[in-house]
Amino acid sequence: ELKVEQNPLFLSMQEGKNYTIYCNYSTTSDRLYWYRQDPGKSLESLFVLLSNGAVKQEGRLMASLDTKARLSTLHITAAVHDLSATYFCAVDGESGTYKYIFGTGTRLKVLA
Amino acid sequence: NAGVTQTPKFRILKIGQSMTLQCTQDMNHNYMYWYRQDPGMGLKLIYYSVGAGITDKGEVPNGYNVSRSTTEDFPLRLELAAPSQTSVYFCASRTGYEQYFGPGTRLTVT
Repeated sequence: ELKVEQNPLFLSMQEGKNYTIYCNYSTTSDRLYWYRQDPGKSLESLFVLLSNGAVKQEGRLMASLDTKARLSTLHITAAVHDLSATYFCAVDGESGTYKYIFGTGTRLKVLA
Repeated sequence: NAGVTQTPKFRILKIGQSMTLQCTQDMNHNYMYWYRQDPGMGLKLIYYSVGAGITDKGEVPNGYNVSRSTTEDFPLRLELAAPSQTSVYFCASRTGYEQYFGPGTRLTVT
C-alpha cells in the first residue's frame, strides 16, 4: 500500500523557535509537494520539489527532498504566529501519473 | 481569472438522496481532480481526468461518478448518499507541477 506519513501530527511551538516537519513516503516518486491549509480554507501550494537534493525556501520555510531516503523535510525558522496552519506533503502515487497521495497533515500552532 | 470554482459551498443531504457537485476552471488546464477531506485528515483522491472525455479512479471512487465533457467542467455525482460521504470536497486543476484548488464544498449526509 502506498503511504505518506508525516510527523509530528501536532506541533505547538513558541514564536522565535525553529522546528522541522518530516514527510516519509513509500512510492518511488521523484516529485514531492508541500501545501498549507488555514482552518476552514482550501489548500495553497508552498513548494514543488522535483528531484533528489532539491531545496526550496520561501521566507521562514525551507523544504528539501531526499528521494533515496524517501524523505522530505519542511524546516521552520524563527516561527511567527502567522505560520499557524496545517501543512500537508503529497507525492505522485504512481510515477508519471500525477495521482497525488497526501499525508495526514501536521497541525502547527505558534504561540506568542 | 476566477481560477477553480465550486458550487454549492454547503449542502445537507438525506440518506439515499443524490446530488452533483459542480467544478469549473477557467485556466484551460487539462488535468482536473476531485478529493475528499475528512475531519483532521489529509486529502483522498476520488477521481481525476487528464482531458475532456478521459477519467480514471483514484483511491476512494466507490459511491461517486464523474464525467468530463468539456475542458472547463468536471462534475462529481453522488448517488444514494450515505453518512460516510460526509466530508469536505475539493476540486483542483493542474498545470505543470502546480495544483490549484477550489474553495471546497462542505457536505453533510444525515
